[in-house]
Amino acid sequence: QQQVKQSPQSLIVQKGGISIINCAYENTAFDYFPWYQQFPGKGPALLIAIRPDVSEKKEGRFTISFNKSAKQFSLHIMDSQPGDSATYFCAASGGFARQLTFGSGTQLTVLP
Amino acid sequence: DAGITQSPRHKVTETGTPVTLRCHQTENHRYMYWYRQDPGHGLRLIHYSYGVKDTDKGEVSDGYSVSRSKTEDFLLTLESATSSQTSVYFCAIRGDREAFFGQGTRLTVV
Repeated sequence: QQQVKQSPQSLIVQKGGISIINCAYENTAFDYFPWYQQFPGKGPALLIAIRPDVSEKKEGRFTISFNKSAKQFSLHIMDSQPGDSATYFCAASGGFARQLTFGSGTQLTVLP
Repeated sequence: DAGITQSPRHKVTETGTPVTLRCHQTENHRYMYWYRQDPGHGLRLIHYSYGVKDTDKGEVSDGYSVSRSKTEDFLLTLESATSSQTSVYFCAIRGDREAFFGQGTRLTVV
């Protein structure tokens, strides 16, 4: 049972373009929604996160949009750069141990 | 890397042998987690710990056991390794806010 569904699986964007990755969740007990960035051979690193009491959070070129009623959230990367080429994972957490449930990942390639 | 170390970083083992992966933290965080990463599946939770000697199963716990005898160490054991357990294993720690991940252990079962 996949509780967090992520799309697309891969994404190719030109430098300067906008990258958009979407996620949907099922468990209404989730109360924290982070995005992680992973480079080859490295562990995932937190990029940006949001709680369900806000609809949008922006940090630099990265924005999370959150739709609680639709149980969906998305990552927007503005002015995408070749250095943004990585795998991106959405996640959700809840419960007393705050364990994360991950989406299946999106491999982003930004062409120079 | 937020004071989290995984060992070994790479391991090749034979089917049927026991394997133990170690996660060590210097942050004194309460929560520790073991995930496995496989293409098309993202990261899936194997086991987690919420304190010394307090552990629980995650989504894909079959064939794995864990132990946490000290706050800083969380061990993942494959009692009898199978080829389906070939994967990259990540340990994560969490305090009050975000989770931090280790560099991963690439395990190959032949």
